[in-house]
Amino acid sequence: QVQLVQSGAEVKKPGASVKVSCKASGYTFTDYYIHWVRQAPGQGLEWMGWINPNSGGTQYAQKFQGRVTMTRDTSIDTAYMELRRLRSDDTAVYYCARDGGWYQLLFWFDPWGQGTLVTVSS
Amino acid sequence: EIVLTQSPGTLSLSPGERATLSCRASQSVWSNYLAWYQQKPGQAPRLLIYGAYSRATGIPDRFSGSGSGTDFTLTISRLEPEDFAVYYCQQYGTSPPLTFGGGTKVEIK
Repeated sequence: QVQLVQSGAEVKKPGASVKVSCKASGYTFTDYYIHWVRQAPGQGLEWMGWINPNSGGTQYAQKFQGRVTMTRDTSIDTAYMELRRLRSDDTAVYYCARDGGWYQLLFWFDPWGQGTLVTVSS
Repeated sequence: EIVLTQSPGTLSLSPGERATLSCRASQSVWSNYLAWYQQKPGQAPRLLIYGAYSRATGIPDRFSGSGSGTDFTLTISRLEPEDFAVYYCQQYGTSPPLTFGGGTKVEIK
């Protein structure tokens, strides 16, 4: 079945960077866009951006421009999200999610990875 | 940016009852590009509805979506014990950015 499996929890100090991975299985990785969404503790969902695994093209939410980079490695069907210059308010669960469209962006998400907790604390 | 306002914040109901959740947009959502997700504690969100009314694969038919323009509704016809969760709406007609509502918690009365 279609599955996204993310890397484990991270603890980082303010100013550091974190890189979260998202390994896809059960489908052709390059056929579907991957999005990243985060959720601060007890809060709602916030979209960060997407990557096209086929071309490597990306689009980021304006809020994260300059701090986030999304990449992929098609040899191992894995997408990555790196967030730099971490602050305490970046503490959140970070999710990857597959776009609903085959070879196109439909901007609804199914399925989601299990989430990766990133804690930023001095 | 389109702001999505969900109401009520919390809905207290008993199993077997009908749940009606509202999602109101600050501007018209283009082509009814609206989705609903369910999230249980400690789990990732799960897609329920896309395109305002299309059920995702494997979603029971007690879940239904309706609405257009700025007003959308998720209805759960008869609540099952596993339906008690937080529900989020999401618009994607003016991406980027796409936005989520603040969520409605459906709790056991």
